[in-house]
Amino acid sequence: EPEVTQTPSHQVTQMGQEVILRCVPISNHLYFYWYRQILGQKVEFLVSFYNNEISEKSEIFDDQFSVERPDGSNFTLKIRSTKLEDSAMYFCASSERNYNEQFFGPGTRLTVL
Amino acid sequence: AQRVTQPEKLLSVFKGAPVELKCNYSYSGSPELFWYVQYSRQRLQLLLRHISRESIKGFTADLNKGETSFHLKKPFAQEEDSAMYYCALSPMEYGNKLVFGAGTILRVKS
Repeated sequence: EPEVTQTPSHQVTQMGQEVILRCVPISNHLYFYWYRQILGQKVEFLVSFYNNEISEKSEIFDDQFSVERPDGSNFTLKIRSTKLEDSAMYFCASSERNYNEQFFGPGTRLTVL
Repeated sequence: AQRVTQPEKLLSVFKGAPVELKCNYSYSGSPELFWYVQYSRQRLQLLLRHISRESIKGFTADLNKGETSFHLKKPFAQEEDSAMYYCALSPMEYGNKLVFGAGTILRVKS
């Protein structure tokens, strides 16, 4: 059964560094999402992406964040200058159509030191 | 604003006992409600959504618009039901994002 994959599973970085989190959505899916979960807190929506553009973003998704679909398979989340408070589990999800079930990846644990 | 509240962090029941995981939501429009489950060391996966009205793994959930609730129920808990359960809302009028509750750990004891 096709699955969403994410790399790396764990990323450690220094404050102020740029990180890129990578996701490979399910191949026939058209809608892509990023969520994050700070330890002990709720899963929070960051951004949704369709047709090569952002369709919705939350207040968390400020100018430090960007998303890209650089080729036909990858979907990336970039954090330009990481802060301590960016430490969290980041989940990628995809869905075939709008309002369809979202399939989640296993997550990338980002630790900012 | 949309909000999902799951009042219990942990629910511990014996095998064979009934289970009810509570979920209340706050949203002025017509949301779609979901239950997602995360088993140990596995990814988040959809358990059920109110629009499909299905029973999955013996679980059901009814949307009560008057009480703004979407409680998850199962008449007889099994050990393999032990997991983290998240209630989530999608504000259909504003796109497909999911707004999650804090989650409830269900522990089924033998």
